[in-house]
Amino acid sequence: AQSVTQPDIHITVSEGASLELRCNYSYGATPYLFWYVQSPGQGLQLLLKYFSGDTLVQGIKGFEAEFKRSQSSFNLRKPSVHWSDAAEYFCAVVPARAGTASKLTFGTGTRLQVTL
Amino acid sequence: DARVTQTPRHKVTEMGQEVTMRCQPILGHNTVFWYRQTMMQGLELLAYFRNRAPLDDSGMPKDRFSAEMPDATLATLKIQPSEPRDSAVYFCASGLVLGQQNNEQFFGPGTRLTVL
Repeated sequence: AQSVTQPDIHITVSEGASLELRCNYSYGATPYLFWYVQSPGQGLQLLLKYFSGDTLVQGIKGFEAEFKRSQSSFNLRKPSVHWSDAAEYFCAVVPARAGTASKLTFGTGTRLQVTL
Repeated sequence: DARVTQTPRHKVTEMGQEVTMRCQPILGHNTVFWYRQTMMQGLELLAYFRNRAPLDDSGMPKDRFSAEMPDATLATLKIQPSEPRDSAVYFCASGLVLGQQNNEQFFGPGTRLTVL
């Protein structure tokens, strides 16, 4: 069965510092990959997605992620964190095959705290 | 500004009562998902529909939960009877899936359910 691992439950960074959130997946083939952000009391918002092509994908709010097939990873990065980035971040995967119904499997999430 | 809407946003009820949560997907989307989020289990897919037909409800306790789409603009998730362990945030998401093309899922703000 496919699975998504986010090894860091909680990360604290200073405003202006760089950020990297880790995501590893376990799946027989390369899935489609997503990062979502959830602010307190809110639903999930898509930051970026990878389907194919360039392994470095750009998203909203200055985020980017790099797909590394050899490491089964899809880590999220941001060069300079803003206080408003404090939220919970979820990595998700969906099978990339014909007829798939976009059934997302989510990681457990990483809570980001930003100190001023 | 197209978005997924959910009602109610908050619901407090007593054990044994019926609870109905409603979701209005984005107009034109053909796939609707119901997720449940708890501290212990994280985000779990309960059920999803394509063109109003249920595709997978294996994540849903069948004895008390039911999900329907009376029409393309309304999805409902019902719990009868409710139990304290059902306390969670329930998210609806919608998306447009065409053939092999998988687009993102757009999440609603959620319904926070508390069963006393």
